[in-house]
Amino acid sequence: EAGVAQSPRYKIIEKRQSVAFWCNPISGHATLYWYQQILGQGPKLLIQFQNNGVVDDSQLPKDRFSAERLKGVDSTLKIQPAKLEDSAVYLCASSLEGSALGGYTFGSGTRLTVV
Amino acid sequence: AQSVTQLDSQVPVFEEAPVELRCNYSSSVSVYLFWYVQYPNQGLQLLLKYLSGSTLVKGINGFEAEFNKSQTSFHLRKPSVHISDTAEYFCAVSVIQGAQKLVFGQGTRLTINP
Repeated sequence: EAGVAQSPRYKIIEKRQSVAFWCNPISGHATLYWYQQILGQGPKLLIQFQNNGVVDDSQLPKDRFSAERLKGVDSTLKIQPAKLEDSAVYLCASSLEGSALGGYTFGSGTRLTVV
Repeated sequence: AQSVTQLDSQVPVFEEAPVELRCNYSSSVSVYLFWYVQYPNQGLQLLLKYLSGSTLVKGINGFEAEFNKSQTSFHLRKPSVHISDTAEYFCAVSVIQGAQKLVFGQGTRLTINP
């Protein structure tokens, strides 16, 4: 089966600019996650979707970050305006009905550098 | 809330030597446990997971891990490492009930020296 697709792979922007990342999960996976991985740290969950509804966005900095999954399939994560501390790899993952039993599949990530 | 502590940020070992990467977790409810590997500039790949049953879990690439409920640990082991095992390793937990999501540790960088 095709994996989780993410684009772009790399992005360099200046602080205060905006940026968007795209994720297409595995077909049929209802649950989609966005994680932020800062260099030298483990991934941190930003937001979890179940179909097109938000399950958990408690760690999403809502003053600058937004995410949507309008048709319950692919998703977009946006940062506006970006700060230097947003430099990180943004990982998208999907799972079947949010179940650990079905496993989680990760994309290759988008590496964001804010200068 | 759940948390994961990986006790070593870096582990250097010689090729063909055994290795153990340590992981402890904290949770007030039952959890599933996972180990993921991340090679440079790549996403996360599942090594193994503990869901139930035997506490000794075997995964890919010759890795295994043992779940110890009394010590709340899930240490990862390999009897003989190869250069290709050089990577970042992450331990993670997920609650069994409710909205399931992965909570990760800080990671352990495994460096294999020839």
